[in-house]
Amino acid sequence: GIQVEQSPPDLILQEGANSTLRCNFSDSVNNLQWFHQNPWGQLINLFYIPSGTKQNGRLSATTVATERYSLLYISSSQTTDSGVYFCAVAANAGKSTFGDGTTLTVKP
Amino acid sequence: KAGVTQTPRYLIKTRGQQVTLSCSPISGHRSVSWYQQTPGQGLQFLFEYFSETQRNKGNFPGRFSGRQFSNSRSEMNVSTLELGDSALYLCASRTGDSPLHFGNGTRLTVT
Repeated sequence: GIQVEQSPPDLILQEGANSTLRCNFSDSVNNLQWFHQNPWGQLINLFYIPSGTKQNGRLSATTVATERYSLLYISSSQTTDSGVYFCAVAANAGKSTFGDGTTLTVKP
Repeated sequence: KAGVTQTPRYLIKTRGQQVTLSCSPISGHRSVSWYQQTPGQGLQFLFEYFSETQRNKGNFPGRFSGRQFSNSRSEMNVSTLELGDSALYLCASRTGDSPLHFGNGTRLTVT
C-alpha cells in the first residue's frame, strides 16, 4: 500500500512565526487532504488538494503530484494553531492512508 | 447541513464484551468509512461502505465488522473486546471524490 511520511514529527514555534509542514507519499494518488486534529480528537478538514495550490487565510497548501509531496504553510502562527496536523492520501476513493502527523506547539 | 454524527461519544467496556458504534453521515453522502486511532498505530483504515456494500477493507481481524443501512447510516461492531481495542474510532463520510468529512469520534476504553 501507499506509504505516507510527514515531517517534522514535532515543531515548536513562537507566536507569529511561520512554518512549513511536509508530506511525502510513495505512489500516485488522486486524493490528498490536510487535517488539523484538535485536543478533543476531531479532525478538521483544512485542504482538499490532490494537486496545485490553495490558500485559506493564514494557511496555504501546495501539492506537486508528479514529485509525490505536499506542503502545508502556516504563517503568523497563533496559539490556537497548536495541535496535530495530518496528511491523508488515497489512490482510490474509499481508503485513505494517514501519515503519523506533525505535532505543532505554538508558544505565546 | 448537519455534520457527521457519531454516537456514543464515550464508552467503557470490559474485555470479552462486544460493542456497537453508530455513524450518521452528512445528508446525501453515500460513502461511510471508519478509522481507528491509537497512540501506537496512528490512524488506520478499518473499512468503507457504499450503498450498503463493503467496498474496501483494512487489515483488521474479523472481530471488527460493520454494516450500512439504506439511509446510509453505518454501524461498526467489535466482538470479544481486547485491551488493545481501546482507541478513538472515527467515522467519515463523502460523496464521489469529495473530501472526507469526519465526525467527533467515539472514545472506547476497554478494561
